[in-house]
Amino acid sequence: SQKIEQNSEALNIQEGKTATLTCNYTNYSPAYLQWYRQDPGRGPVFLLLIRENEKEKRKERLKVTFDTTLKQSLFHITASQPADSATYLCARPDSNYQLIWGAGTKLIIKP
Amino acid sequence: EPEVTQTPSHQVTQMGQEVILRCVPISNHLYFYWYRQILGQKVEFLVSFYNNEISEKSEIFDDQFSVERPDGSNFTLKIRSTKLEDSAMYFCASYRQYTDTQYFGPGTRLTVL
Repeated sequence: SQKIEQNSEALNIQEGKTATLTCNYTNYSPAYLQWYRQDPGRGPVFLLLIRENEKEKRKERLKVTFDTTLKQSLFHITASQPADSATYLCARPDSNYQLIWGAGTKLIIKP
Repeated sequence: EPEVTQTPSHQVTQMGQEVILRCVPISNHLYFYWYRQILGQKVEFLVSFYNNEISEKSEIFDDQFSVERPDGSNFTLKIRSTKLEDSAMYFCASYRQYTDTQYFGPGTRLTVL
């Protein structure tokens, strides 16, 4: 069965630095991967989608990569700010477009 | 910007009681989903709904669960006889075909005592 693995340990980053989060998947490469942000007690908020044939996608300070050889996606936040502190979730689609989720990585940006 | 809404935000119930969680998906979206997230755990798929019927369900979605779209706007999740282990955040999501993006509601926190 498809699995999504994310580093479950919290990631502590100094404000202004680049935060890099990792998402690994098993079995065949999905047509796309998605990254969501989740704040405590709230629903996931869509951030970025990257397709299998795209190596990189950017949105403001966010950058996502997709490496089908490594079966991995990296999520970068440049010039990180304390407001970026949240849990970041990686997800892949299954049949009927439902999402299979990683456990999320908690990101803490320290001033 | 249109958004998915869910009610109530928090539901407390006694074990064995029935609960109905409500969602209003984004209009013109065609696919609807329920997910749940037990505290401290990953988000889990429960059921997908398309064209007024269930298109897929997970092993979590047993006979105690049901979904309905009683009118053109609401999408409900019913748990017939709640168990302690049903305590979780329940998220509704909707998806418009060809966008590959699911939009999530704020969630309903279900507490079963």
